[in-house]
Amino acid sequence: DQQVKQNSPSLSVQEGRISILNCDYTNSMFDYFLWYKKYPAEGPTFLISISSIKDKNEDGRFTVFLNKSAKHLSLHIVPSQPGDSAVYFCAASFYNQGGKLIFGQGTELSVKP
Amino acid sequence: GAGVSQTPSNKVTEKGKYVELRCDPISGHTALYWYRQSLGQGPEFLIYFQGTGAADDSGLPNDRFFAVRPEGSVSTLKIQRTERGDSAVYLCASSLVGQGVRTDTQYFGPGTRLTVL
Repeated sequence: DQQVKQNSPSLSVQEGRISILNCDYTNSMFDYFLWYKKYPAEGPTFLISISSIKDKNEDGRFTVFLNKSAKHLSLHIVPSQPGDSAVYFCAASFYNQGGKLIFGQGTELSVKP
Repeated sequence: GAGVSQTPSNKVTEKGKYVELRCDPISGHTALYWYRQSLGQGPEFLIYFQGTGAADDSGLPNDRFFAVRPEGSVSTLKIQRTERGDSAVYLCASSLVGQGVRTDTQYFGPGTRLTVL
């Protein structure tokens, strides 16, 4: 039972354009959502997060949008840079579940110069 | 400062053997997590330690898997009677506070790639 889903395994974008990565979830008990970025042979690194009481959080070139009614979140990267090429995972957590994260399958972003 | 380190980086073993995977968290971090990542999948939660105690081991797939953190720092994930299906990258993460604090970022190590032949 995949509670967090990233339906696009890969995405290719031109440098300078917007990258939009999508994530859907099924469990309405999730109250905190995160995006992690992973380079080959490295562990995932935290990128940005959003609480379920918000619908948008922005940090520099990265913005996360949350649509609770649709159980959907997205990560926007503007402008995209070649160094952004990596696998992006969205993750979710429940209140009262410690820090346990439930991850999606990942989307591999390739930013072409 | 030093990040989360994991040893070995690669481990190849034969079916039925016992393996131990080690995680050194960031100094001072009280919470420690183990995840497993299979090919083409995201990390899957295994177990979470708050200090020395396992606060949540609901992700351990069966009783062949066991983890310890005896002094509240280094943790060892132990797998008995390994099976080919155990082949995956085992990731460790640590965070400063744990206890479900939402802003408490988990920092991941590079993982141990386990291959069971």
